[in-house]
Amino acid sequence: DTAVSQTPKYLVTQMGNDKSIKCEQNLGHDTMYWYKQDSKKFLKIMFSYNNKELIINETVPNRFSPKSPDKAHLNLHINSLELGDSAVYFCASSLGGSSYEQYFGPGTRLTVT
Amino acid sequence: GESVGLHLPTLSVQEGDNSIINCAYSNSASDYFIWYKQESGKGPQFIIDIRSNMDKRQGQRVTVLLNKTVKHLSLQIAATQPGDSAVYFCAENGSGGGADGLTFGKGTHLIIQP
Repeated sequence: DTAVSQTPKYLVTQMGNDKSIKCEQNLGHDTMYWYKQDSKKFLKIMFSYNNKELIINETVPNRFSPKSPDKAHLNLHINSLELGDSAVYFCASSLGGSSYEQYFGPGTRLTVT
Repeated sequence: GESVGLHLPTLSVQEGDNSIINCAYSNSASDYFIWYKQESGKGPQFIIDIRSNMDKRQGQRVTVLLNKTVKHLSLQIAATQPGDSAVYFCAENGSGGGADGLTFGKGTHLIIQP
């Protein structure tokens, strides 16, 4: 059973389009995250949600909008895609509170042409 | 954002040898550190963690050492195997608890040579 799953695995789209990436965790965790990994493998947090509430919104363009319909899901919607948005996006989850260990999904490779 | 740093070296070791991956951090307030392994095309996978009240922690074939005096963290992998080939990241916690997310270093590519 996959603990943290993301769809799609690959996403190729043109500049200016709007796209969404879905994430689901079946671990019963309270906290979920989105990270961006650039071409140099650098991982940087974008958002974190705790029990469906936004906790962190790092310096991310407002074209990126996370949505958490319930605490098992955290989706990422991106408007007006730009070339610089090309990256691998990882969803993760953790128990939250004093628990820092995060479980990562397999990633979504986004390519904007 | 840049408080946890690694150069991005490639470390090449012979199969069966031990490997040591190093990491420097700059946030003295961090109290939790974690090592992740990322294989090609996959998400980061937890290896081992350590809290700041410890200086050493051992797992299966892995040991993490924490030196708070010089803000240094290392991951030792014993008797390396081909499956150990991956990019390894150190990370530290944010100041606001688990919901803060982790600050990652830049990664070290470990290559195991037969």
